[in-house]
Amino acid sequence: EPEVTQTPSHQVTQMGQEVILRCVPISNHLYFYWYRQILGQKVEFLVSFYNNEISEKSEIFDDQFSVERPDGSNFTLKIRSTKLEDSAMYFCASETPGQGVEAFFGQGTRLTVV
Amino acid sequence: AQSVTQPDIHITVSEGASLELRCNYSYGATPYLFWYVQSPGQGLQLLLKYFSGDTLVQGIKGFEAEFKRSQSSFNLRKPSVHWSDAAEYFCAVGALATGFQKLVFGTGTRLLVSP
Repeated sequence: EPEVTQTPSHQVTQMGQEVILRCVPISNHLYFYWYRQILGQKVEFLVSFYNNEISEKSEIFDDQFSVERPDGSNFTLKIRSTKLEDSAMYFCASETPGQGVEAFFGQGTRLTVV
Repeated sequence: AQSVTQPDIHITVSEGASLELRCNYSYGATPYLFWYVQSPGQGLQLLLKYFSGDTLVQGIKGFEAEFKRSQSSFNLRKPSVHWSDAAEYFCAVGALATGFQKLVFGTGTRLLVSP
């Protein structure tokens, strides 16, 4: 069964450093998402991406965040200068367009900012 | 704006007993509703979904959920809980916009299963 793959599974970084979280969506999917889950809290939408541009972003997704699909297979989330409060589990998801579809989630990347 | 409420933060159920996890949503149009399960340290696994049609939907692992429009609810049920069902359960509503769905999640219900 096709799946969404995220790497790394866990990343520790120092405050102020840049991090790139990587995702390989399911190959025929066209919509891509990043969600975030701070420890003990609910999963929150960050951004959606379609046709090489951002479709929608939440208020969390400020100028420190960016997304890219550099090579037609990978989908990345970059945090330019990490803060302690960026520590969270980050989930990538993808789906195909149309009615009645579901988003397939990756296993997540746990980001720890120290 | 759409929202999801899961009123129970924790629920403890004896193994073999029945389970019902509550979910209420707020959304102006016909909702797309989902239940996801998250085991400790794991990602989100889809249990079941409702888009239209039969209001009682069957999912994986013996779970089912019933959509009740009049109550704005989408409660998850299982007739007999197994110890392996202990996990966090998230209800979500999909807001269809410009061809894609943004999922809005509830705060989750942590299920504990006692022997």
